[in-house]
Parts: sequence; C-alpha cells; structure tokens
Amino acid sequence: EDQVTQSPEALRLQEGESSSLNCSYTVSGLRGLFWYRQDPGKGPEFLFTLYSAGEEKEKERLKATLTKKESFLHITAPKPEDSATYLCAVQARGGADGLTFGKGTHLIIQP
Amino acid sequence: EAGVAQSPRYKIIEKRQSVAFWCNPISGHATLYWYQQILGQGPKLLIQFQNNGVVDDSQLPKDRFSAERLKGVDSTLKIQPAKLEDSAVYLCASSLDGAAGEQFFGPGTRLTVL
Repeated sequence: EDQVTQSPEALRLQEGESSSLNCSYTVSGLRGLFWYRQDPGKGPEFLFTLYSAGEEKEKERLKATLTKKESFLHITAPKPEDSATYLCAVQARGGADGLTFGKGTHLIIQP
Repeated sequence: EAGVAQSPRYKIIEKRQSVAFWCNPISGHATLYWYQQILGQGPKLLIQFQNNGVVDDSQLPKDRFSAERLKGVDSTLKIQPAKLEDSAVYLCASSLDGAAGEQFFGPGTRLTVL
C-alpha cells in the first residue's frame, strides 16, 4: 500500500525565515511525486511534479527536491501570502492514476 | 482557460438522506477523479474515470456511493443514504492525460451530515 507522511504537521515562521517541509513516501514504483498548495475553502493548486531522484524544480520562493525515499519543499524568504497547507502526493506506476496524499503541512508566515 | 467547476459549494443534510454533487471538468480533459477530503486529512481518491469508463473505484463505498460520467464530460457523485462520517469536502479533479499528468482541482463541495 502506498503511503505518504508529511512533517511537520504545522509550522509557524517569521517573514523572511527560510525552512523546509518534508515528505516521506513508500510506493511500489514511483511514477511521479506531486506538491500542491491548498488555501482555506479552496481546492488544491498544483505546484510541481518530480519524476526521478535528484530532480529539482523551482517556482518563485519555492524549490522542490526528490530522493528515493523523500521529497523536500524548501521555502526561501517566505512572505505572509505563502501561508497555506502544502500537500504532497505520489502516483504509482501501473494501474490507475489516482494520487495518494499525505495529511499536509499547515504553514503560517507571520509579518 | 476555465477551471474545474463544481456545484453546489455547500450542502447540509440529515443522516439517511441522499445527496448529489456535480462536476464539469476542464474542456478536453479525458480523465476525471473524485476525491474525499475529511477535515485535517489529505484528499482520498474515490473513483477515476477515463472518458466515460471507470478505471478505478476500489476505494468507493459502493453500498452507498455511486458515480457516473455520461458522454465523457460532466460527472455526478451520489450518496444514498448518507452517514455522519460522510461529512467532508468532495473534490473533483481532471487531467489531460492521467499518466503522470497534472491534476487540476475544483473548489469542492462541503457536505455536512447532521
């Protein structure tokens, strides 16, 4: 059974204070690892897909990296508008294409 | 480009009543998903359609949940009868190509069962 564990569950940072969110996963064969952002009352918003160990992707203040067992979402010099829940999900090779999600990290950036 | 549309946005029902949710995916997207998100949890896949055929419904509680996608476009998800534990946000997502393709989510329907 595919599993995704995210840590920490919640994180409070000061504006400009960089940090990283962790996503550990077990999957029979990884097709892709996804990061989404979810704001209260909204559906998840796509951020990145990573396909193989060593891959990195960046978008504004966010950078996602992937190893064979985990992924990190690095946030550099965050702003209050980066406050959201960040969800990690995996898609397994073969079979159907549904995503298995973690519980998310609730990130709060204080001005 | 219009996003995934869902309705209603909110629904409150009594237990044992029935309810239906509607989803219109992004134009041209062949793959459609329904997810259930309980408060404090990540979304959980209920069912996946490829065009109007079911690809995966292994996590759908088939004794009370049903879904259809007529003509390979819009989809409806029904719960009958509802239980208290069905209180959740029901998210619809679509993708151009299911295999490792981005899934775009709608705003969701928040269901409260009293």
